[in-house]
Amino acid sequence: DAGVTQSPTHLIKTRGQQVTLRCSPKSGHDTVSWYQQALGQGPQFIFQYYEEEERQRGNFPDRFSGHQYPNYSSELNVNALLLGDSALYLCASSLRGTTYSNQPQHFGDGTRLSIL
Amino acid sequence: SQKIEQNSEALNIQEGKTATLTCNYTNYSPAYLQWYRQDPGRGPVFLLLIRENEKEKRKERLKVTFDTTLKQSLFHITASQPADSATYLCALSNTGTASKLTFGTGTRLQVTL
Repeated sequence: DAGVTQSPTHLIKTRGQQVTLRCSPKSGHDTVSWYQQALGQGPQFIFQYYEEEERQRGNFPDRFSGHQYPNYSSELNVNALLLGDSALYLCASSLRGTTYSNQPQHFGDGTRLSIL
Repeated sequence: SQKIEQNSEALNIQEGKTATLTCNYTNYSPAYLQWYRQDPGRGPVFLLLIRENEKEKRKERLKVTFDTTLKQSLFHITASQPADSATYLCALSNTGTASKLTFGTGTRLQVTL
């Protein structure tokens, strides 16, 4: 049973460029969340997708956008890259539970993005 | 603003001892608190979830407590092993399905022989 897979594992870009990161959720999961983790910090929530729509968003600028496909896979796009965007980008999947439940997140191993 | 604090300094523990990690939060009333383990270069791995109306949860050598009055969670690993060495993250969330997680900065645990 494959867990969450992310691609690519590493990426180097220069300032001003655009990047697309990809995520395949764990089998049976329908909700995908994206997190940014700077070195020595905890992950920070970017946004969450369910039924191909952005459902929740963290405190990130519009340069960060996403998409979810009918097969539940997801993309994170970042435009006009800044040096400060250098981080580990994590994708997490879960199964949307009942209204008052809370499901653990299953994380991929991330994409390490370096901006030069 | 919401703040989650974990010991930023590494915790060094001798094998066989109990490791206790602390998670304190302010300006937050979470419905759920989760603990994750993260190894270098890997994504976080879920360990335990505790709800606001639960005081304690156990899983094998792991135990977590949740005190909503003190706004604190304690995470215990009994009979520590070198394989337990990792960074441990606490994460809070509110009600709602698959809610977004707010993470602390994590505490690095080193278990030595």
